[in-house]
Amino acid sequence: NAGVMQNPRHLVRRRGQEARLRCSPMKGHSHVYWYRQLPEEGLKFMVYLQKENIIDESGMPKERFSAEFPKEGPSILRIQQVVRGDSAAYFCASSRDTNTEAFFGQGTRLTVV
Amino acid sequence: EDQVTQSPEALRLQEGESSSLNCSYTVSGLRGLFWYRQDPGKGPEFLFTLYSAGEEKEKERLKATLTKKESFLHITAPKPEDSATYLCAPTDSGYALNFGKGTSLLVTP
Repeated sequence: NAGVMQNPRHLVRRRGQEARLRCSPMKGHSHVYWYRQLPEEGLKFMVYLQKENIIDESGMPKERFSAEFPKEGPSILRIQQVVRGDSAAYFCASSRDTNTEAFFGQGTRLTVV
Repeated sequence: EDQVTQSPEALRLQEGESSSLNCSYTVSGLRGLFWYRQDPGKGPEFLFTLYSAGEEKEKERLKATLTKKESFLHITAPKPEDSATYLCAPTDSGYALNFGKGTSLLVTP
């Protein structure tokens, strides 16, 4: 049973480009969460999605960031016009239900140059 | 604002030397508290979920306990492979985890 799959593992983008991060949840999991980990900081919640619905995006920056979880395919975190401050590790997690254990992927490390 | 404080920030133990990690939280309306371990360059690995004060969970050399204001992760006779950063994450929503900064544990042979 494959775990949460994230790709790419490493992504380098120039300032102003777009970054697209993909996450395939564990089999049987319909709840997906995105977190960001900045250097020397803890993991910060960004967004919670179920299939085709954004449930809570209270942790997402208001501009340039968006997330989706289509009926078919992986969840996508999209960052438009990246800036150096977007450099971080982005983790996706999935769970079978809320308030149950969430399993994390290995993360995508975004570097903006 | 909800706060999570983990202590100590870093801990160095000799193999076999037991200790405890602390997680203090001020999350109101706690619905659950999660413990994870994270190895460098990897995603957090789930360890335990605690739902109510007085609850305890055990797994190998680890034991997690919960009170109304804090949680402890007890490590009994640790081994070098227990070296990692341990993260606690209480939640009042049931889905958005409030992660602490973690305790970095190093166990030397």
